[in-house]
Amino acid sequence: GQSLEQPSEVTAVEGAIVQINCTYQTSGFYGLSWYQQHDGGAPTFLSYNGLDGLEETGRFSSFLSRSDSYGYLLLQELQMKDSASYFCAVSGGYQKVTFGTGTKLQVIP
Amino acid sequence: DSGVTQTPKHLITATGQRVTLRCSPRSGDLSVYWYQQSLDQGLQFLIQYYNGEERAKGNILERFSAQQFPDLHSELNLSSLELGDSALYFCASSVGQGEKLFFGSGTQLSVL
Repeated sequence: GQSLEQPSEVTAVEGAIVQINCTYQTSGFYGLSWYQQHDGGAPTFLSYNGLDGLEETGRFSSFLSRSDSYGYLLLQELQMKDSASYFCAVSGGYQKVTFGTGTKLQVIP
Repeated sequence: DSGVTQTPKHLITATGQRVTLRCSPRSGDLSVYWYQQSLDQGLQFLIQYYNGEERAKGNILERFSAQQFPDLHSELNLSSLELGDSALYFCASSVGQGEKLFFGSGTQLSVL
């Protein structure tokens, strides 16, 4: 089976940097993705790591270590609009995509 | 706009009833995924289709079924509805191995 763990809640100050970790157990692994979901909205894709290392997209970066079954999402220069839930997701065998339980990020002034 | 269309946006029905949720994927995407999200919960994987064939199955109840048609749109059928089936149901589509999913706006199902 597949399981992913991430913190349930994180609070950070506007302008700061926050890191959201994700550890996974899976049979069959292609890569780790990250999604953002605002309250009442649909998840939107942020980043994907198929290989070890860091991927940077603007203020957001994502990291993957396949040997440690671990990844993280790094958000820099936090803005109030970044307050949302963030999900890691594993794409594994047979194209199954399993999501973590989500991390609710609250950005405070 | 993700390019994925889900209808209806809202659905209110009674226990014991049957409903059908519809999803049209982005143009060119062959894979369709269905997820259930209960209040303040994560996204529970239900089922995935690729070019008309079922490819992966999650913890989908026997009361639930789905299919993908030749034009690639998909339908999720929920029958003998229970109060606990009230949730937001998302459809997503992708081109490749699921590394990047595009989600529809969801169908909010309320079972009364």
